[in-house]
Amino acid sequence: GESVGLHLPTLSVQEGDNSIINCAYSNSASDYFIWYKQESGKGPQFIIDIRSNMDKRQGQRVTVLLNKTVKHLSLQIAATQPGDSAVYFCAEMGAGGTSYGKLTFGQGTILTVHP
Amino acid sequence: EPEVTQTPSHQVTQMGQEVILRCVPISNHLYFYWYRQILGQKVEFLVSFYNNEISEKSEIFDDQFSVERPDGSNFTLKIRSTKLEDSAMYFCASRGTSQSYEQYFGPGTRLTVT
Repeated sequence: GESVGLHLPTLSVQEGDNSIINCAYSNSASDYFIWYKQESGKGPQFIIDIRSNMDKRQGQRVTVLLNKTVKHLSLQIAATQPGDSAVYFCAEMGAGGTSYGKLTFGQGTILTVHP
Repeated sequence: EPEVTQTPSHQVTQMGQEVILRCVPISNHLYFYWYRQILGQKVEFLVSFYNNEISEKSEIFDDQFSVERPDGSNFTLKIRSTKLEDSAMYFCASRGTSQSYEQYFGPGTRLTVT
């Protein structure tokens, strides 16, 4: 069956460092990938997305890399700040469901940024 | 900036009771979703809703669950007879069009079944 999972459940970094959060997925037919940030007591907040026809996409301080060969997704956060502390989830949308948009979420990585 | 809203923020109910969780999606969005998150676990898909009908549902979404868009504004999730294992955060999400894949999540309703 399809699944999306994370390599590391926790990540601690110093303020100003770059952070890399990884995610593995198993559905090779996945067409769309998203990173969400979830702060305590809040809903998932969209960070950045990438389509399967791309291997890299940059946003403000964030970059998502997609390696379809090994079915791996990563989120890079530059100059990490204490406000980046949260749980980060990757999610994928399978090609079979793209018209309706069911998202399959990974387990989540807890990012802690120390001042 | 438009946002998805959900009420109540916290619902406590006794096992066997019916609950209705309410959501107001972003205006003009066409696709609506319910997800749930058991404490400390990942977010799980429950159901998607488009064109006034369920388009996809997960194994979790059994006969005890139902969704409705009664008035073109609200989107509700009903659990007919709650069980202890239904305790979770329930998130509503909406999405604009078939060409726009981004889903906007509400703040969630924490459901506690005692």
